[in-house]
Amino acid sequence: QVQLVQSGGGLVKPGGSLRLSCEASGFSFSDYYMSWIRQVPGKGLEWLSYISGSNNNIFYADSVKGRFTISRDNAKNSVFLHMNSLRVDDTAVYYCAREYENTSSWFFDYWGQGNLVTVSS
Amino acid sequence: SSELTQDPAVSVALGQTVKITCQGHSLRSYFASWYQQKPGQAPVLVMYGKNIRPSGIPDRFSGSYSGNTASLTITGAQAEDEADYYCNSRDSTGDLFVFGGATKVTVL
Repeated sequence: QVQLVQSGGGLVKPGGSLRLSCEASGFSFSDYYMSWIRQVPGKGLEWLSYISGSNNNIFYADSVKGRFTISRDNAKNSVFLHMNSLRVDDTAVYYCAREYENTSSWFFDYWGQGNLVTVSS
Repeated sequence: SSELTQDPAVSVALGQTVKITCQGHSLRSYFASWYQQKPGQAPVLVMYGKNIRPSGIPDRFSGSYSGNTASLTITGAQAEDEADYYCNSRDSTGDLFVFGGATKVTVL
């Protein structure tokens, strides 16, 4: 069965860096786009970034462009989110999600368990 | 980028019908997907495309469209349907994704 297992959250100081990881299993990882999505505690979902299976199509939300970098290692069935210049308002639960396309509809059909990232001095 | 607008909260009596709407310019070009999120849990996909339920989602969930509005209807709401519901779609450029602000569904 499809599983996305995340690791790498925690406490970091403002201005610091952190890398989140998401290891996939149960499907042909390199065939799928992957996304990162976050949720500030008590608030809504915010899409952050996606990366194509072949690494050649990457987009970011304006809120993280230039600070966050998405990458993947298909040999390790893993996608990463490198977060730099972290701010207090980046505090959130971060989810990885598999992106799927069906009949011109794009959606996130599997999600990781979420990792809390806390940015605080 | 574009925005998707949802009503913040709706309530429904047990067994009755509730419609959750999502408005946005990009919905004239792109389908929405819908996610159910219960406290402390990751979101779960409940609807995508024109009106397609993933495997395991009860058939009391249905989707529809009118102009720039996508809707998720729960016909015969159950206690376990109480949750936050988010719509999602491409933005107007087609390059990015955007989520609606969530609708909290309370089953009375």
